[in-house]
Amino acid sequence: EIVLIQSPATLSLSPGERATLSCRASQSVSSYLAWYQQKPGQAPRLLIYGASNRATGIPARFSGSGSGTDFTLTISSLEPEDFAVYYCQQRTNWPPLTFGGGTKVEIK
Amino acid sequence: EVQLLDSGGGLVQPGGSLRLSCAASGFTFNNYAMTWVRQAPGKGLEWVSSISSSGGNTYYTDSIKGRFTISRDNSKNTLYLQMNNLRAEDTALYYCAKDRDPVGPTRFFGYYFDYWGQGTLVTVSS
Repeated sequence: EIVLIQSPATLSLSPGERATLSCRASQSVSSYLAWYQQKPGQAPRLLIYGASNRATGIPARFSGSGSGTDFTLTISSLEPEDFAVYYCQQRTNWPPLTFGGGTKVEIK
Repeated sequence: EVQLLDSGGGLVQPGGSLRLSCAASGFTFNNYAMTWVRQAPGKGLEWVSSISSSGGNTYYTDSIKGRFTISRDNSKNTLYLQMNNLRAEDTALYYCAKDRDPVGPTRFFGYYFDYWGQGTLVTVSS
């Protein structure tokens, strides 16, 4: 089973600041990694797929990078609506398909 | 517009059964694999089960094997999850999710999910 470890668990930042979230895989997932955003009371929303491709309608302030075992989601300048929980996900070597434990981006 | 409408959740006693449904619209349902993902209260996302576009390939997380069955009716554009012998630890919000990419000649499943239902809450308690 591929384990995805996200860090930090919580990121406290102010609007306008840059957010850098990490996802580390226990073995290589090549570039087959996705990032999702989840706000309270809502379903997850696909942000990034293939490690670095923005999904339809996702603003350019969201970017993804990495390959193999180390991945990063960057939000260049936090907007008020960006405060949420972010999950990474892989389905390269499955089952099981796995998600990371999540990073909560909260207002400082 | 793609829509996934989850339903069928509720309160059930340990050992009981429920059948979840996910009604899909706005896309060619039989071209896409589908998946159930759950989220226990205050916790993260957990993959539950996936089914290929034809229904011929199914996969389950270990904790539900032998108790849950995923299926689909492509004539009704509906995904199902039959849940038997429910346990307290199955309490969660259950989401259906659509693969981002349609099936290919040699690929039954994609890698990502681009649309999710709103979720249906399953509570297992006496």
